[in-house]
Amino acid sequence: EVQLVESGGGLVQPGGSLRLSCAASGFTFSSYSMNWVRQAPGKGLEWVSYISSSSSTIYYADSVKGRFTISRDNAKNSLYLQMNSLRAEDTAVYYCARGVRHIDYWGQGTLVTVSS
Amino acid sequence: QSALTQPASVSGSPGQSITISCTGTSSDVGGYNYVSWYQQHPGKAPKLMIYEVSNRPSGVSNRFSGSKSGNTASLTISGLQAEDEADYYCSSYTSSSHYVFGTGTKVTVL
Repeated sequence: EVQLVESGGGLVQPGGSLRLSCAASGFTFSSYSMNWVRQAPGKGLEWVSYISSSSSTIYYADSVKGRFTISRDNAKNSLYLQMNSLRAEDTAVYYCARGVRHIDYWGQGTLVTVSS
Repeated sequence: QSALTQPASVSGSPGQSITISCTGTSSDVGGYNYVSWYQQHPGKAPKLMIYEVSNRPSGVSNRFSGSKSGNTASLTISGLQAEDEADYYCSSYTSSSHYVFGTGTKVTVL
């Protein structure tokens, strides 16, 4: 069974940093591209970042480019999102999501709240 | 990249069919056959319902179908059931190698 479990969310002040992690199991992690997608409270889905299976290709949404860094460790079956210079508008549930061109599995999400 | 445009809400009675539209541009929906649809119940993670415009993943009911014409994609739910009440989002690959989601549609079963 495919499982994606996010962790690392919490309350952070504006301008602060946070690192999200996603532990993958039930599939060959190193063979799949991964994404981070977020959802602000009561709002729609927003794609944040993409990383290919070998980390050779990385993309970011314009809203986070230069502030967020996606990475992965295939030996540890883990995906990461380093978030710096956080803003109030980054407040959202962050989902770890598998796939390229479409997302076939999602984690349950971790809540990030940016507030003073 | 602007979000794809969906109606805010669509409703129907049990057994009826409803269609949700998803309008983009030639740089996303119209330019690629990489449109997908997701169902999200309150407090839950999204679930893939349709990929590559009209393909259903294993386990998804054949009451769900997808299509595309020009810059507009559509999701049709036939034989509407109470369990179909949820938010639905479309998504498309874009010319900048990004992904864009729709604004979301709340489906209500009357």
